Amino acid sequence: SAVISQKPSRDICQRGTSLTIQCQVDSQVTMMFWYRQQPGQSLTLIATANQGSEATYESGFVIDKFPISRPNLTFSTLTVSNMSPEDSSIYLCSYTGIASEKLFFGSGTQLSVL
Amino acid sequence: GQQLNQSPQSMFIQEGEDVSMNCTSSSIFNTWLWYKQEPGEGPVLLIALYKAGELTSNGRLTAQFGITRKDSFLNISASIPSDVGIYFCAEPSYNFNKFYFGSGTKLNVKP
Repeated sequence: SAVISQKPSRDICQRGTSLTIQCQVDSQVTMMFWYRQQPGQSLTLIATANQGSEATYESGFVIDKFPISRPNLTFSTLTVSNMSPEDSSIYLCSYTGIASEKLFFGSGTQLSVL
Repeated sequence: GQQLNQSPQSMFIQEGEDVSMNCTSSSIFNTWLWYKQEPGEGPVLLIALYKAGELTSNGRLTAQFGITRKDSFLNISASIPSDVGIYFCAEPSYNFNKFYFGSGTKLNVKP
């Protein structure tokens, strides 16, 4: 599997600000996804990051709140906009490789909003 | 989305004991994935299963794809403290553009 790097690994942010999380894979991958994991919970898909086009968002997530970029096949960003304490979660970048039935994750970004 | 029911929710065991957890789906799927997540890390893929009845091992871990294609089991033999973490089952959608996750089983191992 490819090496996936996510940064920052953690951040503490003030209410009303925005944070951009970066995800870099060391080889081209088919699909990239962004997940949220609230404290003590399972993983919830935010959106699929589409290369060269707008991301595909899941129900309950909107582009204004979670803008996503994917300029090429190895890089994606997720921005958490106008943050509130309810946005405190782990945000995880993931990808599928050539054999698309396997999903691989970055180490996550632990976000705390005060 | 798909419903994946995972049990038990948590387990507290003694080092050396065997562990068993399972996952059931509301629909038939062709692939089961099992992950482990340690604190401060992303989930790591442990085992992938591709056909009904398949039994696959990874060290002390063994997973089985149920013959009904609606369930899967993960067993850990002779548990050790580093087995501590949350174990998730997951399934891809038919076109692999989504992955659904179970609620997780939190494993605690007492030395």
